[in-house]
Amino acid sequence: GQQLNQSPQSMFIQEGEDVSMNCTSSSIFNTWLWYKQDPGEGPVLLIALYKAGELTSNGRLTAQFGITRKDSFLNISASIPSDVGIYFCAGPPQNNNDMRFGAGTRLTVKP
Amino acid sequence: SQTIHQWPATLVQPVGSPLSLECTVEGTSNPNLYWYRQAAGRGLQLLFYSVGIGQISSEVPQNLSASRPQDRQFILSSKKLLLSDSGFYLCAWSRQGRTPQHFGDGTRLSIL
Repeated sequence: GQQLNQSPQSMFIQEGEDVSMNCTSSSIFNTWLWYKQDPGEGPVLLIALYKAGELTSNGRLTAQFGITRKDSFLNISASIPSDVGIYFCAGPPQNNNDMRFGAGTRLTVKP
Repeated sequence: SQTIHQWPATLVQPVGSPLSLECTVEGTSNPNLYWYRQAAGRGLQLLFYSVGIGQISSEVPQNLSASRPQDRQFILSSKKLLLSDSGFYLCAWSRQGRTPQHFGDGTRLSIL
């Protein structure tokens, strides 16, 4: 019930294309976080969302906190080769401070 | 600004040997500290977390233990490593309240 379902599992796109990935849960989340992990490194926080409906951008990245508080999406516009990596959604379910992580979306960008 | 350091970056150990991985945080006080394991191509599994010196909570039964001897130091240990302990170990910190968490660069542990 408190697990995060992240999709797609992997994406293969051409440089310049836009990307969209999302996370859903049957539980309400207080916060939605999006991380990117490069090979052999730790995840780096990209965007943090704290309010239902919140839409936040970080350069070419845009993320939204779903109004039901049970989902979030991350969009990447005009992808470039350095966008390659694994993107994780994460957050604490309501009434529970433990962090939950999605299984990740592996993004490959072909030049 | 806050920084988190993990070492070593890579480690190759024989089965049955002991383990000690260290994590330190700078630029903040009284952080929450976490140890995660990540299997190849998989998500993050929380192993331990700590809200203060000497306070350790374990999320899953396992061959590993954690200690927090100082406010900004978190250590992951084992007395005897198993093959199944191989993986990518990540340390993270957060302010009290737990979100968001910030990760170190990880330790790649290979057991032979």
